[in-house]
Amino acid sequence: QVKLLQSGAALVKPGASVKMSCKASGYTFTDYWVSWVKQSHGKSLEWIGEIYPNSGATNFNEKFKGKATLTVDKSTSTAYMELSRLTSEDSAIYYCTRRNWELFDYWGQGVMVTVSS
Amino acid sequence: DIQMTQSPASLSASLGETVSIECLASEGISNDLAWYQQKSGKSPQLLIYAASRLQDGVPSRFSGSGSGTRYSLKISGMQPEDEADYFCQQSYKYPYTFGAGTKLELK
Repeated sequence: QVKLLQSGAALVKPGASVKMSCKASGYTFTDYWVSWVKQSHGKSLEWIGEIYPNSGATNFNEKFKGKATLTVDKSTSTAYMELSRLTSEDSAIYYCTRRNWELFDYWGQGVMVTVSS
Repeated sequence: DIQMTQSPASLSASLGETVSIECLASEGISNDLAWYQQKSGKSPQLLIYAASRLQDGVPSRFSGSGSGTRYSLKISGMQPEDEADYFCQQSYKYPYTFGAGTKLELK
């Protein structure tokens, strides 16, 4: 069965960076885009961007350009997102999700990032 | 960006009651609309895609409809396990955008 297993929660200091992972299993990793979604304040969802593992091609929400960097390791079927220059506004839960044509059909369990000194 | 205006922000329904949640897009999105359910402490789960297609495994009491800029999710017969947040999402144009969510509680 399809699974997306994300890395654990992170507590990071303001100004630092954090890199999280999303390990895919149960499907051909290179055939589907992997998107990343931010959930702030326990409610609203924002699409950050996506990466196509086969080619490394990316699409970003303009709001997150310069904030998020997306990469993949095809050998381990793992997608990564690095967030830089963290502020309190970056404290949120971050999900990876598989994009199947126009829909997000499988989601990781989420990574809680807390930015605090 | 396409704005997705979702209503109501919250509602309370009795067991067996039929409920509807609306989503209004700021421009036409050609049925590129999905609905997700998110239970407390869990990840979102896909319910409906292409405005009206039921995802595999989703109970048939869930249905979606709409066209152009107006879309809705209907739950025909509220069940205790339907208590959750619900979000609409458009995939017509980048960046993909979500509605602000509807909190559905059992009365």
